[in-house]
Amino acid sequence: KQEVTQIPAALSVPEGENLVLNCSFTDSAIYNLQWFRQDPGKGLTSLLLIQSSQREQTSGRLNASLDKSSGRSTLYIAASQPGDSATYLCAVPSWTSGTYKYIFGTGTRLKVLA
Amino acid sequence: DVKVTQSSRYLVKRTGEKVFLECVQDMDHENMFWYRQDPGLGLRLIYFSYDVKMKEKGDIPEGYSVSREKKERFSLILESASTNQTSMYLCASSESGATYGYTFGSGTRLTVV
Repeated sequence: KQEVTQIPAALSVPEGENLVLNCSFTDSAIYNLQWFRQDPGKGLTSLLLIQSSQREQTSGRLNASLDKSSGRSTLYIAASQPGDSATYLCAVPSWTSGTYKYIFGTGTRLKVLA
Repeated sequence: DVKVTQSSRYLVKRTGEKVFLECVQDMDHENMFWYRQDPGLGLRLIYFSYDVKMKEKGDIPEGYSVSREKKERFSLILESASTNQTSMYLCASSESGATYGYTFGSGTRLTVV
């Protein structure tokens, strides 16, 4: 059974720092991995979707890497800003009952201090 | 861009009421999902559907039902709302296949009093 873990659960950093969020999964036979951002009381916003054939995806100050063999992904945020404060979740697909459904980590709550 | 729209951002209902949460997506996605999210428990899948009129139970279906009469609309029904169903409800959709990610709606915060 696929399990997804995110460490740390919470992180507080001063503005301007570069930071890394971690995501681990137990079954390396995945097709992709998706990173989301969630602001308090809101839905999830997709940040990056990395296919299994890719090792990295970049969007602005965000860079996500995927190492299937070790069961890990990292989300790198460059030059963090207070507006980056949110919860970040990763998810991987798992086949069940005729379709793929995502298994989510419990998230890393990030606070960037001005 | 794909848009997933949940009809209400906030709802307050009384115990025992029948509650409908609506979700509509505009990109012809085959798959639709309902999750609830609670502090410390993360996202838990309630029901999902991979085609019109098809539905599958997720991890916590008790106390809920769903309806998918049209491809774009997936409704979550609380037959008799209870206080332990107070939660954030999130709808998502995706194309069929392993390589496509999820798109989420903005969520419905339901309070049952």
